[in-house]
Amino acid sequence: GAVVSQHPSRVICKSGTSVKIECRSLDFQATTMFWYRQFPKQSLMLMATSNEGSKATYEQGVEKDKFLINHASLTLSTLTVTSAHPEDSSFYICSATSGTSNQPQHFGDGTRLSIL
Amino acid sequence: AQKITQTQPGMFVQEKEAVTLDCTYDTSDPSYGLFWYKQPSSGEMIFLIYQGSYDQQNATEGRYSLNFQKARKSANLVISASQLGDSAMYFCAMSYQGAGNMLTFGGGTRLMVKP
Repeated sequence: GAVVSQHPSRVICKSGTSVKIECRSLDFQATTMFWYRQFPKQSLMLMATSNEGSKATYEQGVEKDKFLINHASLTLSTLTVTSAHPEDSSFYICSATSGTSNQPQHFGDGTRLSIL
Repeated sequence: AQKITQTQPGMFVQEKEAVTLDCTYDTSDPSYGLFWYKQPSSGEMIFLIYQGSYDQQNATEGRYSLNFQKARKSANLVISASQLGDSAMYFCAMSYQGAGNMLTFGGGTRLMVKP
């Protein structure tokens, strides 16, 4: 159980393109979803916390207009990188949780985004 | 502020031997949880083991055990009988009651298992 599906797994696109990444909890209802960014050989950096039906809470330094997050249902959250540029190239990974702080976050497989 | 420290950027272990990956944490919140995740080169994050701050016994999950020393604020991961497939990045993470389900991650340790 506790499967999180993230799609697409890899994106290569031109500068200026907007890219949407989906994160779905397949077998549980995710009250909270998280979006992380990971640079090579570094740890995960939390970008934003998303609760179903409410606006996402962004971490300091993360541009909310650049990284649009929508959590329209208990099983789906999306991250849209708007007008992507080469510096947005990174590994993006989502996680979901259904319970309290003693429940593990379950992660998607991540999306490798490359902007040319 | 909460902080997680993993002091070993890289570790080698011989296949079939045990290895300990260090993790220390800092928090003033009395209620918190400690997690270990494995990240292979393919990128996915695999949950390994959880320890709650009020748990009396050390957590164990198969070949994984967590050496929880509350007074020292350490939560080391012990992997017994290492396998080649254990080669990966390992992240220690902490949640705390004041932040809902949010995780704070350590910098990670790269484990390499030698045949």
